[in-house]
Amino acid sequence: GQNIDQPTEMTATEGAIVQINCTYQTSGFNGLFWYQQHAGEAPTFLSYNVLDGLEEKGRFSSFLSRSKGYSYLLLKELQMKDSASYLCAAMDSNYQLIWGAGTKLIIKP
Amino acid sequence: GAVVSQHPSWVICKSGTSVKIECRSLDFQATTMFWYRQFPKQSLMLMATSNEGSKATYEQGVEKDKFLINHASLTLSTLTVTSAHPEDSSFYICSAPLRENNEQFFGPGTRLTVL
Repeated sequence: GQNIDQPTEMTATEGAIVQINCTYQTSGFNGLFWYQQHAGEAPTFLSYNVLDGLEEKGRFSSFLSRSKGYSYLLLKELQMKDSASYLCAAMDSNYQLIWGAGTKLIIKP
Repeated sequence: GAVVSQHPSWVICKSGTSVKIECRSLDFQATTMFWYRQFPKQSLMLMATSNEGSKATYEQGVEKDKFLINHASLTLSTLTVTSAHPEDSSFYICSAPLRENNEQFFGPGTRLTVL
């Protein structure tokens, strides 16, 4: 079956770095997405990886290893506004997104 | 980036009434749109895939006669919750993929409260 695993909740300190891991199993693979979702709002796009390696975009970076079925989202210089849920989603061979349950990130001063 | 709009943003209705939610891609065409439901503190749950010009594909456990989907044009999909009940109260979100890079663009969501 298809499955996405990511931690339920993480806590980090303002100004620090946090890494949110995601493992996936899908029927075929057409890329891995990370979305940020604040409470009561729709998800917003953060990153898309389809090739192995690290993609850096400002304070956020995303890594993919297709052979391991593994990705992580790295957030640097954490700010209070980064407190949100981070959703990992893998796209299968039918171009359908398989969603993880999300990781709630709590930032403490 | 591409923009997807949803209307209404929130709606309160009485039990037994029907509610229609619109999802529009404003600056691109979407032959496929996705409808999700999200209960508090839970992840997105895909309800159905809306296909322009053909019938929607529903996920297991989603009643197609209760959640009517119409994808009448390349920029508009509608979800109608028929005979709504309090357990249908949820956050309904649509998304549309951009063919060029598979990125999903989400609408702002519709919060439905059924009294």
